[in-house]
Parts: sequence; structure tokens; C-alpha cells
Amino acid sequence: DAGVIQSPRHEVTEMGQEVTLRCKPISGHDYLFWYRQTMMRGLELLIYFNNNVPIDDSGMPEDRFSAKMPNASFSTLKIQPSEPRDSAVYFCASSPRQGRYGYTFGSGTRLTVV
Amino acid sequence: TQLLEQSPQFLSIQEGENLTVYCNSSSVFSSLQWYRQEPGEGPVLLVTVVTGGEVKKLKRLTFQFGDARKDSSLHITAAQPGDTGLYLCAGAIMYSGGGADGLTFGKGTHLIIQP
Repeated sequence: DAGVIQSPRHEVTEMGQEVTLRCKPISGHDYLFWYRQTMMRGLELLIYFNNNVPIDDSGMPEDRFSAKMPNASFSTLKIQPSEPRDSAVYFCASSPRQGRYGYTFGSGTRLTVV
Repeated sequence: TQLLEQSPQFLSIQEGENLTVYCNSSSVFSSLQWYRQEPGEGPVLLVTVVTGGEVKKLKRLTFQFGDARKDSSLHITAAQPGDTGLYLCAGAIMYSGGGADGLTFGKGTHLIIQP
């Protein structure tokens, strides 16, 4: 398996533009997570899905953020409109089950909003 | 307030030395995991501990889960430059009904092993 695949690896955009981050989880993993990592706040859970259904989106910072999982092999995280404070590394992770099972992370998308 | 506090935040030591990093919380976790993250990559799982007092060894790395399942430690013996990275602990709070939230991560310990 190729692991969790995220695209793009880097994204530079201007304030106010729409940004879409993409993730392909490991086949057979029922759980998908979106995290954001900054030096100040560390890794923060934004939202997670179980069997393509959003379970907890309490970590999504604002209505400007939205996430979808139209099928078991694809998820998107969209920011519209983007702001400089959204600059961070965004990680997607998947897991076969919840709780004590480890997560497999993608390599992340480094987002810079100027 | 950070649910999981890791210490120290930064640690730089010479090759061959031993070190211990800590992960503490006031919450009880059903399980706790340690990850290592290298620059430009996502965190990679090292170990999962589940039982209070549990000790797991991974070559020169020793992981311990506190008896009350609120804290954990990672001890590295004879550190090598390849051990350099960001070490993250992450906890899962399991609800009595069997459900669970996503993992909560500490901010990590930045470890540098100098040759």
C-alpha cells in the first residue's frame, strides 16, 4: 500500500482565495482524520470521519472551513476565503479502528496564505 | 490549556547519552501512543500502551504507561543522531459507551542528538 496520500505538498495562495486540500486514505481504513499543525498550537484535530460520515467537526475553526468525504477513498478540506492565519501544515491520517489503534499520517500539505 | 503536557520542549544532547522525555495529563486515557516526526513528514507511530504500568521496549527505546494511565515516559539509551526528531505523545479518551474521540496530541519534545 502506498500509504496516506495528500496533495498538493505545498500551496501558496493569496488572502481571500479558495484552497482545497486532498487526501486518499489507506484502503480498508474506516476512519479519516484532518489535523492542522503549527509551532504555537501543535497538532490540532479539525474533523474526523467514520465510514465517510463526519463524526466530530468541533475542531473546525470557523465556517470558512469545510470537509467532505464523498467515498471511502477520497476526502477534501476546503478553506474559503483563506486568511494568513490559516497558514500551517495540514495532515490527513487514517486508521482501521478508533481508540488504541495507531494512525497512519500522510506527508502533509504546507499552506502559506499571503 | 493543553490536555497533554510534554517535557522538556527542547533537548539537545551528545551521542551516546541517555535521556527521558515525559508526557503528563490530568485525564485518564484508554491508551496512549508515541510518534516520531521528522522535518517535512507526518508523524510515524512508534508504540501504543494500553495497560496501567505497562512497559514496552523498541530496541533502545523504552516506553512506560503510568499506573493511573494519566502519564507516560520515553527513555532512550545510548542516543544516536538517527534518533533526532520531534517526539509526540497522543492519548485516546474512551467513552463508557464504547465510542472514542480522535487522538489528542501533546506539542512534542524536539530532540537533537549531536554526533
